[in-house]
Amino acid sequence: QVQLVESGGGLVKPGGSLRLSCAASGVTFSDCYMSWIRQAPGKGLEWVSYISASGSSIYYADSVKGRFTISRDNAKKSVYLQMNSLRAEDTALYYCARARGAGPGGWFDPWGQGALVTVSS
Amino acid sequence: VLTQSPATLSLSPGERATLSCRASQSVSSYLAWYQQKSGQVPRLLIYDASNRATGIPARFSGSGSGTDFTLTISSLEPEDFAVYYCQQRSNWPLTFGGGTKVEIK
Repeated sequence: QVQLVESGGGLVKPGGSLRLSCAASGVTFSDCYMSWIRQAPGKGLEWVSYISASGSSIYYADSVKGRFTISRDNAKKSVYLQMNSLRAEDTALYYCARARGAGPGGWFDPWGQGALVTVSS
Repeated sequence: VLTQSPATLSLSPGERATLSCRASQSVSSYLAWYQQKSGQVPRLLIYDASNRATGIPARFSGSGSGTDFTLTISSLEPEDFAVYYCQQRSNWPLTFGGGTKVEIK
């Protein structure tokens, strides 16, 4: 079955950068639409970004637009989230998930285990 | 914006749970529900308002369209006590509701 494994999380100072990776297995990745979703400690879920299967359509939450960049490498079966100008409020567990469904956006299934990003001085 | 109510639902095993999700504008039937147990990854329960995801027990059902949606758990099992989120995929940005916690009474 489809498995997603995130990596690249860690502790970074405010204003710093971090790149998250999500590796997929058990699926034809070039057919997959993908998203990043985050969850701050003790808080709810917040959608962050979305990329289509070809990479031609990309969307961001307003809270990260201009600071985060989503990309993918279908040959490596991976999706990435480059996070720049990080703020304390970006501290969260970042999940990658497959976005499914014909039509707009997608529902998310499955999810990876998450990568923890902590922004603190 | 998706608004979930109530924020907390206190029920006993065997009781029926009714969770609400209201959208500020129509999302057609493009609404999903997720369950998240403490310390675990969210799990898809329902997609497109009323379709159960693979492996989800029949006690979970979803209904609604437009702006008002309901997740019903017909008879609560001990493993159903968790936080439940709705999510719309009709409009950008994609959004989640704030969650409903179903706790043991």
